[in-house]
Amino acid sequence: KQEVTQIPAALSVPEGENLVLNCSFTDSAIYNLQWFRQDPGKGLTSLLLIQSSQREQTSGRLNASLDKSSGRSTLYIAASQPGDSATYLCAVRNTDKLIFGTGTRLQVFP
Amino acid sequence: GAVVSQHPSWVICKSGTSVKIECRSLDFQATTMFWYRQFPKQSLMLMATSNEGSKATYEQGVEKDKFLINHASLTLSTLTVTSAHPEDSSFYICSAGSGAGGGETQYFGPGTRLLVL
Repeated sequence: KQEVTQIPAALSVPEGENLVLNCSFTDSAIYNLQWFRQDPGKGLTSLLLIQSSQREQTSGRLNASLDKSSGRSTLYIAASQPGDSATYLCAVRNTDKLIFGTGTRLQVFP
Repeated sequence: GAVVSQHPSWVICKSGTSVKIECRSLDFQATTMFWYRQFPKQSLMLMATSNEGSKATYEQGVEKDKFLINHASLTLSTLTVTSAHPEDSSFYICSAGSGAGGGETQYFGPGTRLLVL
């Protein structure tokens, strides 16, 4: 059974810092991995999707890497801003299912 | 980009009543739709997967007679919470995917918050 874990569970930092959010999964037989952002009481916004054959994806200040063999992904946020405050979820795709991680609650203060 | 809507966005009901939540893919045909439940400060848990025109596949521990799922068309899936109780209060999110295989992207709806009194 696929299990997805995210570390840290919560993070509070001053703006401007570069951040690293970690995601690990137990079954490396995945199709892809996705990072999402969720604001309080809202749905999900897809940030980055990495196919199993890819090593990383970049979008603006965000960079996500994938090491499928070791079951790890990292989301790197450069020059964090208060508007980045949200919960970040990673999810891995096994066949037709997305299995979500436990999430990292990020707060960036001015 | 692909848009998925949910209706209603929030609902309050009395214990024992049934509540229907709609999930629509607005600009694409969704062969598969997924229903998730999220309790406060927890992650999303998959409840069931539905394919158009066939019965939904429920995850272990999810009561199919309590959470009725209908995927009547390629753009609409409904989740009915029957005889709702306070413990069913949660945030319900649907997602829709197109195509087959492992490479498709799921597009998520904005969620429906259910409060059962």
